[in-house]
Amino acid sequence: KQEVTQIPAALSVPEGENLVLNCSFTDSAIYNLQWFRQDPGKGLTSLLLIQSSQREQTSGRLNASLDKSSGRSTLYIAASQPGDSATYLCAVLRGSARQLTFGSGTQLTVLP
Amino acid sequence: DTGVSQNPRHKITKRGQNVTFRCDPISEHNRLYWYRQTLGQGPEFLTYFQNEAQLEKSRLLSDRFSAERPKGSFSTLEIQRTEQGDSAMYLCASSLMGLMNTEAFFGQGTRLTVV
Repeated sequence: KQEVTQIPAALSVPEGENLVLNCSFTDSAIYNLQWFRQDPGKGLTSLLLIQSSQREQTSGRLNASLDKSSGRSTLYIAASQPGDSATYLCAVLRGSARQLTFGSGTQLTVLP
Repeated sequence: DTGVSQNPRHKITKRGQNVTFRCDPISEHNRLYWYRQTLGQGPEFLTYFQNEAQLEKSRLLSDRFSAERPKGSFSTLEIQRTEQGDSAMYLCASSLMGLMNTEAFFGQGTRLTVV
């Protein structure tokens, strides 16, 4: 059974700081890994998708990496802004399954 | 708006009542998923459709829950005889099946409160 863990559960940083969110998964046989953002009471917004054959993806100030062999992914946010405050979720799609398995998320607060 | 649309956004119901939620996926997407999310947790998979066929159901989906996707377009999720434990955010997602599994897009969710 695939398990996804996100550390830390919560993070508070001053504006302008670069930060890293961590995601680990137990089964390395994955098709892809997706990072999402969720604002309070809202749905999920897809940020980045990394296919299993890729090692990283970039979008603006966001960079996500994937190391399948060690079962880890990181989301790097450069020059954080208060508008980045949200919960960040990672999810993996296993080769043998059709649905995403999610971590519990990291709640990020960027202080002005 | 060409994203995934869910209605209603909020639903308050009394215990024992039936409720139905609707999801309209991105038009060309043939895969549709329902997830449930409780406070402080990540979404948990409920069920999955490929076109109109319901191909997978989680053990979380008790016999009080039923989902349909007639004609492979919109989907409905019905909960019968609601219980307080059903209170959660119900999320719908869609994706396009391809050579590699592609990006999943989520709707804004339906927040259910059972009183």
